[in-house]
Parts: sequence; C-alpha cells; structure tokens
Amino acid sequence: EIVLTQSPATLSLSPGEGATLSCRASQSVSSYLAWYQQKPGQAPRLLIYDASSGATGIPARFSGSGSGTDFTLTISSLEPEDFAVYYCQQRYNWPLTFGGGTKVEI
Amino acid sequence: EVQLVESGGGLVKPGGSLRLSCAASGFTFSSYSINWVRQAPGKGLEWVSSISGGSSYIWYSDSVKGRFTISRDNAKNSLYLQMNNLRAEDTAMFYCARSVDMTTYYFDYWGQGTLVTVSS
Repeated sequence: EIVLTQSPATLSLSPGEGATLSCRASQSVSSYLAWYQQKPGQAPRLLIYDASSGATGIPARFSGSGSGTDFTLTISSLEPEDFAVYYCQQRYNWPLTFGGGTKVEI
Repeated sequence: EVQLVESGGGLVKPGGSLRLSCAASGFTFSSYSINWVRQAPGKGLEWVSSISGGSSYIWYSDSVKGRFTISRDNAKNSLYLQMNNLRAEDTAMFYCARSVDMTTYYFDYWGQGTLVTVSS
C-alpha cells in the first residue's frame, strides 16, 4: 500500500498570504496524484488532478506541482473561503489511498 | 447537473448488516466508474470500494474485503454497498463519488454522504 504523508498537519495563515502544502508518497506514484478541499459539513471537492491539472471551475490561485514522491499544492493568495482541510490522493496503485490531510486555518 | 444522493445509513449493532444506495442523475451512469469513500468522525478520508461501468472490475480496501459487496444497476442509475458483519470501526460518513472517467480513479463529483453508526 502506498502511504501518503501530508505536512504540515496544520497551517495557520491570514487572508492574502500564500500557502504551500506538501504530500510525500512512500513510493513513486508518477504524476497520478490529486488534491481535494473539504470544508466542515461538506463533501470533498476535487481541485487538482494528475499533479498539476486544475479541475473544472477551480480558481487559478490553486496550483499543483511535483512528480514521483514529492508533491506540492500552492494557494497563491488565500481567500476567506480557502480555509479548509486539504487531502492528497494517489491512483497509481490499488488500494487507492489518501493522505491524512492538512488543515489551513486562520 | 450531476447529482449523487446516498441513502440507507443508520444505527446498527456490531455484527449487523446495512445496505447503502446511491442514486445518480445528470450523466450517463454506465460510462463511469463509481466509488465509495468513507470518513470516520473527525478523521480523514478512506477509500472503500470501486466498481467499473459494466461491473467487470471491482476493488475493495483490505479493511472491508470479505464483508462489503459493491454493486450497481445501470438501468436504475444506482450504486449499492452491502455491508455485513459491521464493526464499531466502520462508523463513518459514507460518500458515493464518481470517477473522472471509466479508468481514471480521481473523484470529481461527490454525494453529501450517509452516516453509518455501529454501536450496541
């Protein structure tokens, strides 16, 4: 099973600041990695797929990078609605796995 | 508009059974793989099971293999999860989620979830 480790667990920032979230895989997942955003009481939302491709309707301030074992989600300038929990997920191998999440808080 | 609506959750005793359903609309159901993802209270996301469009390919996480059965009825645009021998650690919100396409297992649309509580 591929283990995804996200860091940091919590990121405390202010609106307007940039955010950098990390996801590290226990083995290479090539570029087969996605990022999701989840707000309290809501289902997750797909942000980025294949490491760097933006999902439909996702604002340009969200970007993804990386390949192999190290991946980054960058939020260029935090809007109030961006404070949420972010998860990475790999589809390189079965079982599909998620990271433990990074909470971006004000 | 793509919609996924789960139902069937509830309170069940350890060792009991439950059948979850997911009603889909707004897309050609048979053309997409569909998945179950769960989230224990206050915890992260955990993939549970996936089924291809024609039901030819089915996968389970090790934690549910042998206890849960995923199925679909394309004529009814519905997905199911039969859960047997439930344990306390199965307590979670269960989400139905559509794959991006038949073979790409990222999840682009999600339902609002149905809560399963396993407790005596």
